[in-house]
Amino acid sequence: AQSVTQLDSQVPVFEEAPVELRCNYSSSVSVYLFWYVQYPNQGLQLLLKYLSGSTLVKGINGFEAEFNKSQTSFHLRKPSVHISDTAEYFCAVSDSHQGGSEKLVFGKGTKLTVNP
Amino acid sequence: ETGVTQSPTHLIKTRGQQVTLRCSSQSGHNTVSWYQQALGQGPQFIFQYYREEENGRGNFPPRFSGLQFPNYSSELNVNALELDDSALYLCASSSRLAGGHNEQFFGPGTRLTVL
Repeated sequence: AQSVTQLDSQVPVFEEAPVELRCNYSSSVSVYLFWYVQYPNQGLQLLLKYLSGSTLVKGINGFEAEFNKSQTSFHLRKPSVHISDTAEYFCAVSDSHQGGSEKLVFGKGTKLTVNP
Repeated sequence: ETGVTQSPTHLIKTRGQQVTLRCSSQSGHNTVSWYQQALGQGPQFIFQYYREEENGRGNFPPRFSGLQFPNYSSELNVNALELDDSALYLCASSSRLAGGHNEQFFGPGTRLTVL
């Protein structure tokens, strides 16, 4: 079974400051890793994903994340945030084994608030 | 290309009632997954349907059931509603291919309130 821990429930930052949202996972099998963003009263939008290859993954809206297998982490970063980045961010994992349901296991989310 | 749509957007029910939520997959997708997102929590996997068969289920009781139709649209049915069933219900569709990861695309969700 997999689990995801998002270490910060809320992260307030000022506009144009850098931000890091932390995610650690636990799994007995190899996994795929994802970050999703959820704006108020909306569904989930995929920001980026790690499937294999380079451990530094670039996504939409200037976000990037780095997969660290030894630390079982997949932290999300952005060098300069905008007011429009205010949203809830979810880290998720799925079993990379083929043939399964490919269900996503989500963390509890981190609410990012960007202040002017 | 039409994205994933869900209906209704909001729903209010009372304890003990039954509810049906609907999802239309993105064009070309043959797999539908349902998730429950309680307030302040991350989404939790309920079950997945592939080619009209259940293909994986999370830790939810049997009163949560589903269907997938030949056009790959789907329904989530919940019987004997409880207060704790109040949540945002998200549908995600994907196109199951041989090998590799199949990205799930999410709909906007249905907000269910049980009184």
